[in-house]
Amino acid sequence: LAKTTQPISMDSYEGQEVNITCSHNNIATNDYITWYQQFPSQGPRFIIQGYKTKVTNEVASLFIPADRKSSTLSLPRVSLSDTAVYYCLVFYNQGGKLIFGQGTELSVKP
Amino acid sequence: GAVVSQHPSRVICKSGTSVKIECRSLDFQATTMFWYRQFPKQSLMLMATSNEGSKATYEQGVEKDKFLINHASLTLSTLTVTSAHPEDSSFYICSADPLGQGQETQYFGPGTRLLVL
Repeated sequence: LAKTTQPISMDSYEGQEVNITCSHNNIATNDYITWYQQFPSQGPRFIIQGYKTKVTNEVASLFIPADRKSSTLSLPRVSLSDTAVYYCLVFYNQGGKLIFGQGTELSVKP
Repeated sequence: GAVVSQHPSRVICKSGTSVKIECRSLDFQATTMFWYRQFPKQSLMLMATSNEGSKATYEQGVEKDKFLINHASLTLSTLTVTSAHPEDSSFYICSADPLGQGQETQYFGPGTRLLVL
């Protein structure tokens, strides 16, 4: 099974762009990469998903290099409300499960 | 769209009692739902996969007789914590994906906080 690795924590300031990188060396051909955001005492919230190259939506961008062994979540101009834990997940197509890694605790300061 | 609800949002019970947690997909049907448990400052841990009309499949180390799962319809899965003990106190979260959509995108419920005294 592919295991994801992310930085445990990151600090940023309001208005900055934040990039969180996740490594998934053993990703399989059909696996998708998905990022979730979780606030304390709430369920995770879907942010963005991709398979290769670049995906952009109204809240974030996801960059995936050609070898797909890593991915980078980019949050443009973060605000205090973006303080949360961000999880990078690889969907195991054969197992049909979403396995959560440790996540990255992002702290946005004024 | 794709809203998942959980009930109750929090529950306090005495040791030895059983607690039922409901997970509902409000605007879609789901043949599969997942149950997770999360301890403070830790990541979500997958407990089991709830399959509509059939038995749930449990992850290694999760006691199926203690955590009873029933998926009686395409919009409802229940998790019953039987003979709860203080170490079962945790945050329980369910997720589901709309029927016909790939399981790679899961929609999560708001979670249920269980405190066993």
